[in-house]
Amino acid sequence: SQQGEEDPQALSIQEGENATMNCSYKTSINNLQWYRQNSGRGLVHLILIRSNEREKHSGRLRVTLDTSKKSSSLLITASRAADTASYFCYTGGGNKLTFGTGTQLKVEL
Amino acid sequence: GAGVSQSPRYKVAKRGQDVALRCDPISGHVSLFWYQQALGQGPEFLTYFQNEAQLDKSGLPSDRFFAERPEGSVSTLKIQRTQQEDSAVYLCASSLAPGREETQYFGPGTRLLVL
Repeated sequence: SQQGEEDPQALSIQEGENATMNCSYKTSINNLQWYRQNSGRGLVHLILIRSNEREKHSGRLRVTLDTSKKSSSLLITASRAADTASYFCYTGGGNKLTFGTGTQLKVEL
Repeated sequence: GAGVSQSPRYKVAKRGQDVALRCDPISGHVSLFWYQQALGQGPEFLTYFQNEAQLDKSGLPSDRFFAERPEGSVSTLKIQRTQQEDSAVYLCASSLAPGREETQYFGPGTRLLVL
């Protein structure tokens, strides 16, 4: 079973718009990570947020974490065509080390 | 520096053949992970090594799957008597520190097609 579940499964936006995707998980965690996967560069780590953090920024990325709701969100601001990819959350805690099903983001010109 | 490399990048096997997939992690990385990714799905965990010790192999789908990392660096994932359902991309990742919650660096994957 998947530890993380991303929502929505697919998202299509115009360049310059913001994109928000969510992740829910099942067990307690020490941190949560977001990864991006596109055909050109494979799976790449984006950002890590620890369980005692509520929000973290990295460039155009903003991640929030709500451990009481076991959920996280990833916001990409001012999206670019190059942001087109699948986005996965990852939690290494618990007995299962799985990525979620992913959100497929398409940024159109 | 060099990232994680995997070979071969593509492998076509006839059903029943044995295959061996290689992963070269980033030098000095303690942890090594193998994942299986079906088309349109997220990566599914197969197994985890800390140095040469295989600490978790709970994700290996059957006893046809075997992984090793004998000297704590290069790892090989072996699939015996391949079946069509084994067709997938096999991803290897490494991380600097021990444990399962560190940042992972992924290789490009090996795309396996079983005919």
